[in-house]
Amino acid sequence: QQQVKQSPQSLIVQKGGISIINCAYENTAFDYFPWYQQFPGKGPALLIAIRPDVSEKKEGRFTISFNKSAKQFSLHIMDSQPGDSATYFCAASWENQAGTALIFGKGTTLSVSS
Amino acid sequence: ETGVTQSPTHLIKTRGQQVTLRCSSQSGHNTVSWYQQALGQGPQFIFQYYREEENGRGNFPPRFSGLQFPNYSSELNVNALELDDSALYLCAIGQGSGYTFGSGTRLTVV
Repeated sequence: QQQVKQSPQSLIVQKGGISIINCAYENTAFDYFPWYQQFPGKGPALLIAIRPDVSEKKEGRFTISFNKSAKQFSLHIMDSQPGDSATYFCAASWENQAGTALIFGKGTTLSVSS
Repeated sequence: ETGVTQSPTHLIKTRGQQVTLRCSSQSGHNTVSWYQQALGQGPQFIFQYYREEENGRGNFPPRFSGLQFPNYSSELNVNALELDDSALYLCAIGQGSGYTFGSGTRLTVV
């Protein structure tokens, strides 16, 4: 019940295209769903996050779509750029519960070709 | 850049040895967590400290232990190192929507 399943494992997109990464979770008690971006040699950095009371959140070229009934959420990167090439992790958590962890997916390596 | 500093950045240890990794933050946040990220995997929660007390732990054996100091810096100690302990160890301050990760310590056990 603690798992977050992420797909695809890797993704190649042409510059200007749309990158889509999907995640599914099992525990309906999760109330916070962030996406992290990680470049080689760096720690994960928060990209965008959503809470289950909304179905979509957009920040610039990045959009999270959230389907509570299906227990799925996805990251869409519009107009993908070579600088977006990185590993992306979805995660789930209980936002305000002390001592709890972020449960991460296994990651998606995105390569944007120019 | 992130305000979370981890040291050392890389180290190599021999199986059976002990290692101490360190984390500090500019903001001195009272909550710090440690994660293990194996190659090609997502980070996995080791434990969390709040005001010098452990208040949450993942599925890691007792040979993984930690400390948080009055200035809110933190240490991760791993005893009896195993080859599978080779990973990137990440420190994060804050919790929930306020997580900020450091760049990690790359530990190689040979």
